[in-house]
Amino acid sequence: EVQLVESGGGLVQPGGSLRLSCAASGFIFSTYWLHWVRQVPGKGLLWVARISSDGSSTTYADSVKGRFTISRDNAKNTLYLQMNGLRAEDTAVYYCARWSGYYGTMDVWGQGTTVTVSS
Amino acid sequence: DIVMTQTPLSSPVTLGQPASISCRSSQSLVHSDGNTYLSWLQQRPGRPPRLLIYKISNLFSGVPDRFSGSGAGTDFTLKISRVEAEDVGVYYCMQATLFPYTFGQGTKLEIK
Repeated sequence: EVQLVESGGGLVQPGGSLRLSCAASGFIFSTYWLHWVRQVPGKGLLWVARISSDGSSTTYADSVKGRFTISRDNAKNTLYLQMNGLRAEDTAVYYCARWSGYYGTMDVWGQGTTVTVSS
Repeated sequence: DIVMTQTPLSSPVTLGQPASISCRSSQSLVHSDGNTYLSWLQQRPGRPPRLLIYKISNLFSGVPDRFSGSGAGTDFTLKISRVEAEDVGVYYCMQATLFPYTFGQGTKLEIK
């Protein structure tokens, strides 16, 4: 079964750091681009970042550029999101998602992990 | 950024009746490669988003054929031919033609 499982969310103070992980299974991890998308509780979806299949190319939303870093370990089938300088407005559920070049969209989504930034 | 505008934001529907959601983009979603990267996602209560339709009108694997998508350029529509109880949730359109990828605000489908 194709699966993405996020972890690492929690409560952090403003200005703090957190690293999210997304463990993949059921597909050839190293051949897919991957994304992070977040959702403020009760609100809509916001694209955060993406990374190429080999990790050499990354792209970020303006709202997180310079504070968040997306990376991956293809040997461990795991995607990461390092979040520094966290702000209250970063509070959200963070989803990792697989990009399908065939479908031209994100075809597999994880269940999400919750990040709360508050003092 | 491309702005995706969905209407209505809420849609109360009777079981067995059709439902329709509109999505309009602030600029054309036709990519230079000729494809239009407009997809529809469903988010049931307490669940992550799930892909329903890709490239305007193509049904994703396992999605019931009561769902259909149509449109072109900047105007797109998701239709459910006969709403079932399991269809309750929020529906999002999403564009992946230009960065940053953007989503509509979501349309909440509920049963009357």
